[in-house]
Amino acid sequence: DQQVKQNSPSLSVQEGRISILNCDYTNSMFDYFLWYKKYPAEGPTFLISISSIKDKNEDGRFTVFLNKSAKHLSLHIVPSQPGDSAVYFCAASARYTNAGKSTFGDGTTLTVKP
Amino acid sequence: DSGVTQTPKHLITATGQRVTLRCSPRSGDLSVYWYQQSLDQGLQFLIQYYNGEERAKGNILERFSAQQFPDLHSELNLSSLELGDSALYFCASSGGGRADTQYFGPGTRLTVL
Repeated sequence: DQQVKQNSPSLSVQEGRISILNCDYTNSMFDYFLWYKKYPAEGPTFLISISSIKDKNEDGRFTVFLNKSAKHLSLHIVPSQPGDSAVYFCAASARYTNAGKSTFGDGTTLTVKP
Repeated sequence: DSGVTQTPKHLITATGQRVTLRCSPRSGDLSVYWYQQSLDQGLQFLIQYYNGEERAKGNILERFSAQQFPDLHSELNLSSLELGDSALYFCASSGGGRADTQYFGPGTRLTVL
């Protein structure tokens, strides 16, 4: 039972355009969501997070939207840059019931073409 | 640089052998997490330790074990290795026991021949 799903294994966009990465979850106890970015041969690095009390969080070119009723979150990157090409992981956790464990999706490989 | 260190970077061994992967968390972080990433797959959570005690367990095989020492570094022991254990093993650390941001090490690539 995969509780966090990233249904698109890959996404290709043109430089300057918007990249939208999607993530769905099934566990209604999840109340904290994170996006990580991973380059080849490196560990994932934290990108942005959102608490379930918010529906949007913005950090520069990155915005995460949360739709609790649909159990869906998305990461928007505007404008996309070639350096954004990486694997993006969505993660979710239940802060007060799950001892801090985050459940990760399988990742979406983003390719930004110059 | 996340501040999390993992050794060794690469490990090549044979089936049936036993290996130990080591992780040093960021200074001050009490939680350590271990993940396995097999080829083209996502991050599979294995186990979490918080201040020396096991806090959460994921899809960790019985052949695998881990511990966190008083100085907060952690070791993941993999025994009776099989070809399918070949993967990237990541360690991450965070400040507390709740869902804090995790900081990942560069990983150990294990190849079982």
